[in-house]
Amino acid sequence: EPEVTQTPSHQVTQMGQEVILRCVPISNHLYFYWYRQILGQKVEFLVSFYNNEISEKSEIFDDQFSVERPDGSNFTLKIRSTKLEDSAMYFCASNVGLGGTGEQYFGPGTRLTVT
Amino acid sequence: SQQGEEDPQALSIQEGENATMNCSYKTSINNLQWYRQNSGRGLVHLILIRSNEREKHSGRLRVTLDTSKKSSSLLITASRAADTASYFCATKPSLNDYKLSFGAGTTVTVRA
Repeated sequence: EPEVTQTPSHQVTQMGQEVILRCVPISNHLYFYWYRQILGQKVEFLVSFYNNEISEKSEIFDDQFSVERPDGSNFTLKIRSTKLEDSAMYFCASNVGLGGTGEQYFGPGTRLTVT
Repeated sequence: SQQGEEDPQALSIQEGENATMNCSYKTSINNLQWYRQNSGRGLVHLILIRSNEREKHSGRLRVTLDTSKKSSSLLITASRAADTASYFCATKPSLNDYKLSFGAGTTVTVRA
């Protein structure tokens, strides 16, 4: 069964450093998402991406965040200058989009620890 | 704005018992979905119920939706130790809006 994959599984970085989290969505899916979950808290929507551009973003997704689909398979989230409060589990998700029900397929997550 | 508030926050039951958890939300929805998350792992989609549906079944799962009360319930029948996980409801706001709004989740512990 196709699945969303994410790398790395765990990333430790120092405050102020840039990180890139990588995702490979399911191949025939058209919509891609990033969510984050701070330890013990809700899963929060960050951004959705369709047709090579951001379709929606939350208040959390400020100028230090960016997303890119650099090739036909990868979908990346970049955090330019990490802060301690960026420590969280970051989930990538994808779905078929138009004509689909909205069921999203989530990757296993990247645990980001900012020290 | 956040949608989807589950209760209870935590539930501990004996293997073989049923587990029921509830979710309330604030604004209109296109559909409501339930996800499971094992400790430290990703989210696994369990079941989806559309706004025009009232009840849905999938294996040992039963979901109800009451749009007049803006609430949903998830019932897991004949629970097993492997059902130990956190369960989240997530709402899809409209047909063309694909982002999901998650609740805080219910942590279910099934004792052997």
